[in-house]
Amino acid sequence: QVQLQESGPRLVKPSETLSLTCAISGGSISPFYWSWVRQPPGKGLEWIGYIRYSGTTTYNPSLESRLTISVDTSKNHFSLRLSSVTAADTAVYYCAKYSNSGFDNWGQGTLVTVSS
Amino acid sequence: DIQMTQSPSSLSASVGDRVTITCRASRSISNYLNWYLQRPGEAPKLLIFAASALQSGVPSRFSGSGSGTEFSLTISSLQPEDFATYYCQQSYGTTVTFGQGTKVEV
Repeated sequence: QVQLQESGPRLVKPSETLSLTCAISGGSISPFYWSWVRQPPGKGLEWIGYIRYSGTTTYNPSLESRLTISVDTSKNHFSLRLSSVTAADTAVYYCAKYSNSGFDNWGQGTLVTVSS
Repeated sequence: DIQMTQSPSSLSASVGDRVTITCRASRSISNYLNWYLQRPGEAPKLLIFAASALQSGVPSRFSGSGSGTEFSLTISSLQPEDFATYYCQQSYGTTVTFGQGTKVEV
């Protein structure tokens, strides 16, 4: 069973860049798709984007201009960078394994707060 | 973008009740529809994929149906651990969208 673990700063200042990494254990990063999903406090789920093990990305159009998702197959992890953050980016950020059959493995999630 | 609309937004039920949640897509998504359960403080859990296929390990009281634009999730006999929020999610095409969620409460 694949296990996922998010890591990164829990507090980010407005206008700065939010950076998170998802470590994959118990399985290989290939040949799958890997995704980020976020959930603002008390609200629903928002898909951020996904990356194929080969590096091909697909982003949520509403975030695309600020977003970079990358993969490091040698370290078996993938990463998220979201620039120019505001309070609206405060959320629990989840990493997950993705296919057309859904998100079948999730990390536990990490709350990132945007505040000065 | 494909919009997903769930109804109701919340419902009250009791243990043993039969519960049905509906999800509507803004255009046809064939059967590329998945359902999740999320308990407070936990990550979502995949219940149903491809509209009606039960994910491994999920109890058989959960079932899904539908195709095109109309889908439903049914819990045949609600259990205490089923009080949670449920989300539908479409995976048609390249982008992904979730419904707004349905909270099932006592």
